[in-house]
Amino acid sequence: AQSVTQLGSHVSVSEGALVLLRCNYSSSVPPYLFWYVQYPNQGLQLLLKYTSAATLVKGINGFEAEFKKSETSFHLTKPSAHMSDAAEYFCAVTSYNNNDMRFGAGTRLTVKP
Amino acid sequence: SQTIHQWPATLVQPVGSPLSLECTVEGTSNPNLYWYRQAAGRGLQLLFYSVGIGQISSEVPQNLSASRPQDRQFILSSKKLLLSDSGFYLCAWSGTSHRSDTQYFGPGTRLTVL
Repeated sequence: AQSVTQLGSHVSVSEGALVLLRCNYSSSVPPYLFWYVQYPNQGLQLLLKYTSAATLVKGINGFEAEFKKSETSFHLTKPSAHMSDAAEYFCAVTSYNNNDMRFGAGTRLTVKP
Repeated sequence: SQTIHQWPATLVQPVGSPLSLECTVEGTSNPNLYWYRQAAGRGLQLLFYSVGIGQISSEVPQNLSASRPQDRQFILSSKKLLLSDSGFYLCAWSGTSHRSDTQYFGPGTRLTVL
């Protein structure tokens, strides 16, 4: 079975600081990996996804993530946090032989002025 | 372009009452459809998914059920709600051409069971 683990349910950074949200996956087959963002009382919006092409994936709003097979990781980063980045972030995994997607528990990002 | 709708946006129901949440997708044909529940402070739990009309797969045994009466309509139901059914319910759709297809989420329904 596939799964993802997000390390840290809450992350707090200062405006302008580096954002690093951690995600580790477990999969017996090559995974497809996703990062979604959720603003309060809204649905999830795709930030970026990895589908076995380039290991460094660039997404919207200045976010990027790097697939590292040796570390089974897909951490999300952004060089400089904005106040508008405050939200909850979810990592998710699926694969070619799965009809569903498995989500992590989420990481709530707070940005301090 | 494709859009996904959910209604109602919020709902407050007493324990033991029935439930019907509706999700519709526009601008695509034969999508995969999904129902998730998000409890307070927790991640997303997949409840049901459907790859076609009348085809429903259940992930978690519970007092909820799902139906897909039309290609782009997905309904979540319950005959008798429990307190533990409270949460944020999200519907999503994806294409069927490849497993790497993105899931696109609706705005959600906030359900409070009292």
